[in-house]
Amino acid sequence: EPEVTQTPSHQVTQMGQEVILRCVPISNHLYFYWYRQILGQKVEFLVSFYNNEISEKSEIFDDQFSVERPDGSNFTLKIRSTKLEDSAMYFCASSEQLGEQYFGPGTRLTVT
Amino acid sequence: QKEVEQNSGPLSVPEGAIASLNCTYSDRGSQSFFWYRQYSGKSPELIMFIYSNGDKEDGRFTAQLNKASQYVSLLIRDSQPSDSATYLCAVNRFGNEKLTFGTGTRLTIIP
Repeated sequence: EPEVTQTPSHQVTQMGQEVILRCVPISNHLYFYWYRQILGQKVEFLVSFYNNEISEKSEIFDDQFSVERPDGSNFTLKIRSTKLEDSAMYFCASSEQLGEQYFGPGTRLTVT
Repeated sequence: QKEVEQNSGPLSVPEGAIASLNCTYSDRGSQSFFWYRQYSGKSPELIMFIYSNGDKEDGRFTAQLNKASQYVSLLIRDSQPSDSATYLCAVNRFGNEKLTFGTGTRLTIIP
């Protein structure tokens, strides 16, 4: 069964450093998303991406964040200068036309 | 502010019984409703979705939607210990829009 994959599973970085989180969506899906979940809190939307551009972003997704689809398979989230409060699980999700979103296993980001 | 509300639990249900999970939402424009299961430390796993008023059954799971009451529920029949998890309700306005999640209900099935 096709699934969304994410790398790395755990990333530890120092405050102020740049990180890139990687995702490979399900191959025939057209819509891609990033969500995050701070420990003990709800899953929060960050950004959605379709047809090589951002379709929607939340207030969390400020200038420190960017997304890219560098090739036909990868979808990346970059955080330019990490803060302590960026520590969270980051989930990539993808969907096809009908809209059910399937989540990857997540990347645990720890900012020290 | 569009909200999705769930009772955080924990909800304890004996093995073999029916677990009933509830969710209300504030945005009357919501059209699509999803239930995800999340085991501790893992990612959300889609288990049910429903778009029309009424019931939708899939195996031991039944999703129920009442748009007039802005209420969606999930029933789990013949509950198993492996059903112990946090159940997340999520909604959106149309097919590929962002999902708005509730805080989740922690379900424990007691053997």
